[in-house]
Amino acid sequence: NAGVTQTPKFQVLKTGQSMTLQCAQDMNHNSMYWYRQDPGMGLRLIYYSASEGTTDKGEVPNGYNVSRLNKREFSLRLESAAPSQTSVYFCATGTGELFFGEGSRLTVL
Amino acid sequence: GENVEQHPSTLSVQEGDSAVIKCTYSDSASNYFPWYKQELGKRPQLIIDIRSNVGEKKDQRIAVTLNKTAKHFSLHITETQPEDSAVYFCAASRAQGGSEKLVFGKGTKLTVNP
Repeated sequence: NAGVTQTPKFQVLKTGQSMTLQCAQDMNHNSMYWYRQDPGMGLRLIYYSASEGTTDKGEVPNGYNVSRLNKREFSLRLESAAPSQTSVYFCATGTGELFFGEGSRLTVL
Repeated sequence: GENVEQHPSTLSVQEGDSAVIKCTYSDSASNYFPWYKQELGKRPQLIIDIRSNVGEKKDQRIAVTLNKTAKHFSLHITETQPEDSAVYFCAASRAQGGSEKLVFGKGTKLTVNP
């Protein structure tokens, strides 16, 4: 029973490259979320999915796309990475209490 | 949309003292107010939460108070211990279509000095 699993844990990209962050949960929750965390900025919501087949924008969606592949999986894609997207990314799931993954540290050079 | 302000950004206390962190929110329709603790290099974890039909909630050394009229809520930690050192985040949301779209404050770094 892993809870929320994110991959990769670390990634270095060059400006303009693309990548996908994967997230899977085995907690049987309908809702899933992607947050980014920057120093002094707290956690900011990028996208969320209230249920399988639905996604919606959060506070900072520009430059990102998401896919809710099924109830368990919610991926975050950077089509053309920019240095401003250097951050720690957290996937979460839950209703009420959120359960976070361990985070993915992304550096864009 | 919702905006959550959190103060102070840093807080240093002596072991055994109390610590208080305050947050204000802007959306009067928000009805769920959790607090998360994040230790260095770890994921955020829920420590206590309160819903808008309750004014105060306590769990051992931690308590949260909510003033809906003033739109602010606070975290109180009594008898602080070094292991309470962490970054604490408040958040606010209202349930929308089965999901709670939490908006977080910017965090308070609490240091408990032995």
